Amino acid sequence: SQKIEQNSEALNIQEGKTATLTCNYTNYSPAYLQWYRQDPGRGPVFLLLIRENEKEKRKERLKVTFDTTLKQSLFHITASQPADSATYLCALDGPGNTDKLIFGTGTRLQVFP
Amino acid sequence: DAGVTQSPTHLIKTRGQQVTLRCSPKSGHDTVSWYQQALGQGPQFIFQYYEEEERQRGNFPDRFSGHQFPNYSSELNVNALLLGDSALYLCASSGTGGYGYTFGSGTRLTVV
Repeated sequence: SQKIEQNSEALNIQEGKTATLTCNYTNYSPAYLQWYRQDPGRGPVFLLLIRENEKEKRKERLKVTFDTTLKQSLFHITASQPADSATYLCALDGPGNTDKLIFGTGTRLQVFP
Repeated sequence: DAGVTQSPTHLIKTRGQQVTLRCSPKSGHDTVSWYQQALGQGPQFIFQYYEEEERQRGNFPDRFSGHQFPNYSSELNVNALLLGDSALYLCASSGTGGYGYTFGSGTRLTVV
């Protein structure tokens, strides 16, 4: 069955550095991949969507890459700030390219001043 | 512009009881999906409603049912509650265009 893996260990970085989070998937080929931010006790907030025919997408300090050969997406936050501290979730459309999203378990990012 | 509104925010129920959670989608969105998120896990897809019909369903038992109304709002019903149903229940709405989902803040359900 399809599987999505995100680094379960928290990522701790210093303010101003670039944070890089990884999302790996197996056993199917999604049409698109999404990244969400989730703060404790809140719902996920949509950040970026990248399609299978796109290699890279940017939005302000955020950058996402999508390598369908490696079955991997990288999510970068440049010039990180303490306000970026949150859990970041990777999500893919389900097998058969349905609208249902399959989420990873998320990676918690902590940015220290 | 109001986003997705869910009610109630918190709920405590006893095993065996039934619960109804409510969701109003973002203005302009016509599709509503429900997710269950256990602590420390990613959201798990329950089902999706479009044009008042269940369009897709995840691996959840029939105890989980839903409804969508003509104004696109939706309800999630869970019967015969189990301790394992304790979780954050998230509603997400979307429209055409494939620009991601808008999630509500969720309903925290605790079954005791």
